[in-house]
Amino acid sequence: EAGVTQSPTHLIKTRGQQATLRCSPISGHTSVYWYQQALGLGLQFLLWYDEGEERNRGNFPPRFSGRQFPNYSSELNVNALELEDSALYLCASSPPPLGRWNEKLFFGSGTQLSVL
Amino acid sequence: DAKTTQPPSMDCAEGRAANLPCNHSTISGNEYVYWYRQIHSQGPQYIIHGLKNNETNEMASLIITEDRKSSTLILPHATLRDTAVYYCIVTLRKPGNLIFGKGTKLSVKP
Repeated sequence: EAGVTQSPTHLIKTRGQQATLRCSPISGHTSVYWYQQALGLGLQFLLWYDEGEERNRGNFPPRFSGRQFPNYSSELNVNALELEDSALYLCASSPPPLGRWNEKLFFGSGTQLSVL
Repeated sequence: DAKTTQPPSMDCAEGRAANLPCNHSTISGNEYVYWYRQIHSQGPQYIIHGLKNNETNEMASLIITEDRKSSTLILPHATLRDTAVYYCIVTLRKPGNLIFGKGTKLSVKP
């Protein structure tokens, strides 16, 4: 069974540009989470999508946005890129609740975004 | 969510047990303890979780004290591939509520 896949693995942009990162969850998983991991920092929660809706977002400006498609894949868009947006962006998925919640997330290997 | 305190780094000899402590003195009755690890350049990997009973799976054991104010993750026979940052997370069982701190960097040495 395929795991969470993210593309591209590396992305280089310049300040002011827009970046689009993609994530395909594990088959059968309906929730997708986005995290940012800047160099030397812990994982920062960005966004959570479930059944096509944004359910929660972390403490990030509105230029970080995304969406979830009917097939549960997801895009993260970062507008007006700034140098400090350089980070590893991780996507995770989890299955539907099936009656009990379980914060067992399955992570992809991430997209390394470099802003020059 | 309750905060956790973990040592920033630990060393362990290959083949020995690695015992990673975590303090969560303000944990509430309905909060769970989760452990993840992140090997360099990879996404985090789920290890184990528990509420108040000790838990064991193929990867590790989780020992939670009776007052639930601390826990220990045990890797019974550490290998070089267990070198990673280990995150202890206390969370309500609500989706999207998994907050990662700085974790413990475990170095397994030959």
